[in-house]
Amino acid sequence: GEDVEQSLFLSVREGDSSVINCTYTDSSSTYLYWYKQEPGAGLQLLTYIFSNMDMKQDQRLTVLLNKKDKHLSLRIADTQTGDSAIYFCAERTYNQGGKLIFGQGTELSVKP
Amino acid sequence: GAGVSQSPSNKVTEKGKDVELRCDPISGHTALYWYRQRLGQGLEFLIYFQGNSAPDKSGLPSDRFSAERTGESVSTLTIQRTQQEDSAVYLCASSSSSGVDSRQYFGPGTRLTVT
Repeated sequence: GEDVEQSLFLSVREGDSSVINCTYTDSSSTYLYWYKQEPGAGLQLLTYIFSNMDMKQDQRLTVLLNKKDKHLSLRIADTQTGDSAIYFCAERTYNQGGKLIFGQGTELSVKP
Repeated sequence: GAGVSQSPSNKVTEKGKDVELRCDPISGHTALYWYRQRLGQGLEFLIYFQGNSAPDKSGLPSDRFSAERTGESVSTLTIQRTQQEDSAVYLCASSSSSGVDSRQYFGPGTRLTVT
């Protein structure tokens, strides 16, 4: 079956880079996503990467995918206090239709 | 344009009562998903609808849970005889198709508390 794992907490200082990691088990994953959830708010899609890519950059966000190790990471450059939130990794696979399989989320705390 | 909307935003109910949660997807989106998020946890898939196809109900945790969708519009998630473990945020998402390259847009969720 499919499984997505994330570490639960990450604390960084403002201005530093944050790296949030995710591992998944289903080798048929097609798209992998990063969502952000702020307190009391819905899920916001931050970025996504197709499984035939190794890297995707979007402003302060860099996604790295190691398909061999089934490892996905999200790097946030120059982390700001407004980046404090829970970040969810999710995968989508050919054999599971449209549903997303989510990790349990990483709570990012940015200290001034 | 309008995003995915859900109602109510909060629902408190007594154990054993039935509840109905509503989702209005983005207009024109053919695929609609329901997820559940328990406190401090990730999202669990419940059910999804794609056009006129039979829904994928593989994530529904028990036969107390059911969902309907009218055409390609509103969906209702019904929980019968609610239990305390049903307390969670119920999130709805829609996408323009169920293809693997189609993004899901999430609503704000309904926070259900069963007392």
